[in-house]
Amino acid sequence: GIQVEQSPPDLILQEGANSTLRCNFSDSVNNLQWFHQNPWGQLINLFYIPSGTKQNGRLSATTVATERYSLLYISSSQTTDSGVYFCAVGNYGGSQGNLIFGKGTKLSVKP
Amino acid sequence: ETGVTQSPTHLIKTRGQQVTLRCSSQSGHNTVSWYQQALGQGPQFIFQYYREEENGRGNFPPRFSGLQFPNYSSELNVNALELDDSALYLCASSLGGQAGNEQFFGPGTRLTVL
Repeated sequence: GIQVEQSPPDLILQEGANSTLRCNFSDSVNNLQWFHQNPWGQLINLFYIPSGTKQNGRLSATTVATERYSLLYISSSQTTDSGVYFCAVGNYGGSQGNLIFGKGTKLSVKP
Repeated sequence: ETGVTQSPTHLIKTRGQQVTLRCSSQSGHNTVSWYQQALGQGPQFIFQYYREEENGRGNFPPRFSGLQFPNYSSELNVNALELDDSALYLCASSLGGQAGNEQFFGPGTRLTVL
């Protein structure tokens, strides 16, 4: 099945710094989502981005489907950005309808 | 628009018991997927229900079962609980059962098996 790798596994930033999180996947996809998991466990949708570029405030994402990777950019980070960021993909070759998650990037933003 | 809700929030059970977790899909959505997230890991797909039928299943034993109701809410049942079943259980709703559909997650149920 499709493999999803996220890097880096851990990231520590000073408030105000910028960061780039990467997601590599091993096969073509028709779904790619970025999530932020808050301390209570809820997965918050950040982007639905199987291809192209999107921006939402301080966050933006780019997926290059032909090269099988996606990037999540966080600018001017804030302490509330702390948490785990997951990339998840779906494709028709997998069990119908499921998302395959990476292991996540744990981000800590220090004041 | 009502988001995805799950109940209960927390649950403690002992080995061998049975548990039922519940999920209400986002308004307008007809598909519910269930995931298990062990500590420090990404969520893993258990199964999906689309229009009241199972529409795909991950690598979980048959003691994990589910159903979907006509209002598209769903239940996850786990029989003969084992210690390794301790995890955060997440449900997600979407419009349609295809892999390309965006999924929206509920707040999760944290299950502890003693």
